[in-house]
Amino acid sequence: KNEVEQSPQNLTAQEGEFITINCSYSVGISALHWLQQHPGGGIVSLFMLSSGKKKHGRLIATINIQEKHSSLHITASHPRDSAVYICAAYYGGSQGNLIFGKGTKLSVKP
Amino acid sequence: DAGVTQSPTHLIKTRGQHVTLRCSPISGHKSVSWYQQVLGQGPQFIFQYYEKEERGRGNFPDRFSARQFPNYSSELNVNALLLGDSALYLCASSRTGALAGGETQYFGPGTRLLVL
Repeated sequence: KNEVEQSPQNLTAQEGEFITINCSYSVGISALHWLQQHPGGGIVSLFMLSSGKKKHGRLIATINIQEKHSSLHITASHPRDSAVYICAAYYGGSQGNLIFGKGTKLSVKP
Repeated sequence: DAGVTQSPTHLIKTRGQHVTLRCSPISGHKSVSWYQQVLGQGPQFIFQYYEKEERGRGNFPDRFSARQFPNYSSELNVNALLLGDSALYLCASSRTGALAGGETQYFGPGTRLLVL
């Protein structure tokens, strides 16, 4: 069964802290997405990765294909970063779509 | 350009009823996917459509159906509603649906369905 596991489930940080959210998946994938979901439900796509590392502002995403693991890092965290962060793996095949993790709820305190 | 739009934003139904949810993709996007997100869980894939054809289907019962129209908008239909169908229903669009090739999906705000 294709699965996506995230850790931690909940994370509380002080403003300015460096944050890491982890994602592991069970078998080989074609691509991995990191998504941000704010209260009320709206989802924003942050990164799509198939190898290596990507950076956008204070956000960095890395993926290690051999270890079947990806991380999302937030540098100099800010209260506006508070959201649920979800990783989703694309396994391809006939089903052809994303398998989502349960999300990591991040709360950044001022 | 407008983003992905969904209607209605909220909906309350009773068990056994039928519901239709609507999604308009970003202009130029030909692929639409539907996801169900139960409270406290990550989204689950329901359907993907591209050029009016079903490209993929998740592990949902036949009570769930969808279609895509010539203008690439889409409808998700759920028959014989159950309490467990209460969830946030998300629609996402992309140019061709080729997610494995690095194509990004853009999500709509969702329709929150409550079944009583």
